[in-house]
Amino acid sequence: NAGVTQTPKFRVLKTGQSMTLLCAQDMNHEYMYWYRQDPGMGLRLIHYSVGEGTTAKGEVPDGYNVSRLKKQNFLLGLESAAPSQTSVYFCASSAAGTYGYTFGSGTRLTVV
Amino acid sequence: GDSVTQMEGPVTLSEEAFLTINCTYTATGYPSLFWYVQYPGEGLQLLLKATKADDKGSNKGFEATYRKETTSFHLEKGSVQVSDSAVYFCALSDPSGGFKTIFGAGTRLFVKA
Repeated sequence: NAGVTQTPKFRVLKTGQSMTLLCAQDMNHEYMYWYRQDPGMGLRLIHYSVGEGTTAKGEVPDGYNVSRLKKQNFLLGLESAAPSQTSVYFCASSAAGTYGYTFGSGTRLTVV
Repeated sequence: GDSVTQMEGPVTLSEEAFLTINCTYTATGYPSLFWYVQYPGEGLQLLLKATKADDKGSNKGFEATYRKETTSFHLEKGSVQVSDSAVYFCALSDPSGGFKTIFGAGTRLFVKA
């Protein structure tokens, strides 16, 4: 099925470990986004990309890095995980701002 | 800056009741407006959208009208079902804001049989 695929779906990390979350879309969308969703906090934008090779900071970028080497992939990295990064992470893509987003099914990350 | 305010939940209704979830916005430009729905354990799905004043977006029995004069985009459904239980997010995308989408905090809906 066409859409946004996130891997992994679940992960438990120890404090200080690193990991990369992968987002892949097959809709040829230019824009891609990483959000985190926390209870009572809604959706907060971490980083986004408006095209291959470009990235920009969102609302809560600290502790995260991203890369968009290929148009279809958007990677989110945690270099040194902290318990405050326990969250559900969503990737989304869009053709342009007025078309709405297609979301992945999320990655549930727990940092202990 | 741009913002979206939606009514706090949870909203609890009986099956076949009328649903309204209020949403108001502030924006510097002329935004597009959206409603997304999130079912338990899933990502958000686009429910409906409107791109200019007086447009009505509709899908699966839900509808919302873009009201520029009241800066509102309220979600309505005439007869809810148990399967409509979910979290609903109002959102805007403002071209003057670089097309980043601003989401409301979400409103949880419970529908009882």
